[in-house]
Amino acid sequence: TQLLEQSPQFLSIQEGENLTVYCNSSSVFSSLQWYRQEPGEGPVLLVTVVTGGEVKKLKRLTFQFGDARKDSSLHITAAQPGDTGLYLCAGYRLSGAGSYQLTFGKGTKLSVIP
Amino acid sequence: GAGVSQSPSNKVTEKGKDVELRCDPISGHTALYWYRQSLGQGLEFLIYFQGNSAPDKSGLPSDRFSAERTGGSVSTLTIQRTQQEDSAVYLCASSLGLARELFFGEGSRLTVL
Repeated sequence: TQLLEQSPQFLSIQEGENLTVYCNSSSVFSSLQWYRQEPGEGPVLLVTVVTGGEVKKLKRLTFQFGDARKDSSLHITAAQPGDTGLYLCAGYRLSGAGSYQLTFGKGTKLSVIP
Repeated sequence: GAGVSQSPSNKVTEKGKDVELRCDPISGHTALYWYRQSLGQGLEFLIYFQGNSAPDKSGLPSDRFSAERTGGSVSTLTIQRTQQEDSAVYLCASSLGLARELFFGEGSRLTVL
């Protein structure tokens, strides 16, 4: 079973539309991060959320951490072709080995059509 | 360089051969991670090094996989007797420490024929 479930898996929208991507889990995370990955490159951090209920804005992107720190959402307003990429959520939790592992979801592949 | 450097960027090998993948993290970063990404999938945790602590190897899929980090800097991921299912992009990341931003390299794409 996947610790972090992302939905939708694929999303294709027209330029200018709004969209929301979800990241859900039954586990509690000490913090949650969103990364964006473009083909042939490694993921790049967009934001880290730490406090339950926290909302962070990054230009047209709005990130929310659930009150119980088990889920998160990413909302993009007026999507642009440059927003195209794989969006990954990742959560820090204490592993059985006693270290803080960063576990990734499978990602949402977003295509914004001009 | 300023970023995380990985080599080789592409590796094609025959089933049964051993491969070594190298990661040169950002200078001063104490934490180093290895992840595996199959086509269109998310990142699968493999192993984590933090300073001088014993590495967290809980993500290694089999005993054919091993990794070491020499002098707290460069890391090598070794896959012995490669199988076709090992084909993936292997990503290395480093960070300043616990629960911090990860900086990723561009990955090493491994193809096992």
